Amino acid sequence: EVQLQESGPGLVKPSQSLSLTCSVTGYSITSNYWGWIRKFPGNKMEWMGYISYSGSTSYNPSLKSRISITRDTSKNQFFLQLNSVTTEDTATYYCARFGYGNGFAYWGQGTLVTVSS
Amino acid sequence: DIVMTQAPLSVSVTPGESASISCRSSKSLLHSNGITYVYWYLQKPGKSPQLLIYRMSNLASGVPDRFSGSGSETDFTLKISRVEAEDVGIYYCGQLLENPYTFGAGTKLELK
Repeated sequence: EVQLQESGPGLVKPSQSLSLTCSVTGYSITSNYWGWIRKFPGNKMEWMGYISYSGSTSYNPSLKSRISITRDTSKNQFFLQLNSVTTEDTATYYCARFGYGNGFAYWGQGTLVTVSS
Repeated sequence: DIVMTQAPLSVSVTPGESASISCRSSKSLLHSNGITYVYWYLQKPGKSPQLLIYRMSNLASGVPDRFSGSGSETDFTLKISRVEAEDVGIYYCGQLLENPYTFGAGTKLELK
C-alpha cells in the first residue's frame, strides 16, 4: 500500500525558507507524479507543484520564483522548498501522489507550518 | 487560471436523504482525448483529503456506490444518495486539465 508522510519544522520565521520532506513507502517515486498541495486556514486549497517520475518539475506560476521541488530516489523521498515565506504561507502542507488518470489518489497526513516571528 | 466555483458552500442533510453539490469551471475541462479532467475529494474532520471521483464520473477504489459524479464540459455534480454520518466533511472539486491545477472553495456537509 502506498503511504506518504510529511516531515519538517512546524514554525518558520518570515523571510526564511520552508523545507519539507515527503517520505514514500510502498511505491517508487520513479513512477507517477508527486505533488505538494497546501490548505490555508479557511479551507482554500492550492496546488503548489510536482516532480514527475523522470525528475521533471512543474510549478504553480503564482509560486514559481520561490518554489523548488527535488527528490532523492535512493531514499524514496521528495522535498519542498519555499523561499522568502510570509505569514500568508501559513497552511497545512500535504504531499500526494497523482496521475492524470485518477487524480490525487494518495495523500500524506499533512503537516501544519506556521510562519511567525 | 481555471476557476472552479462550488455551490452551495454549506449544506445540512438529514441522514438517509440525498445531497447534491455543484461545481462549475470557467473553462471546458473536456480534453480532445475525450476525458473530462474533473475530480471530487472529501476531507473528513481531522483527516487528509481522499479521492472520491476521478475523470468526472469514475468511482475511486473503496468509495461507496452511494457517491456518483456527472456533468458536462463545464458543469459538474456530485451526488450522495442516502447520506450517512461518515459523509460529514468538506467536499472539493478540482481540475487537472491545465497548470495551475485548481480546486473549488469547498462545500461543508453537515447532518441535521
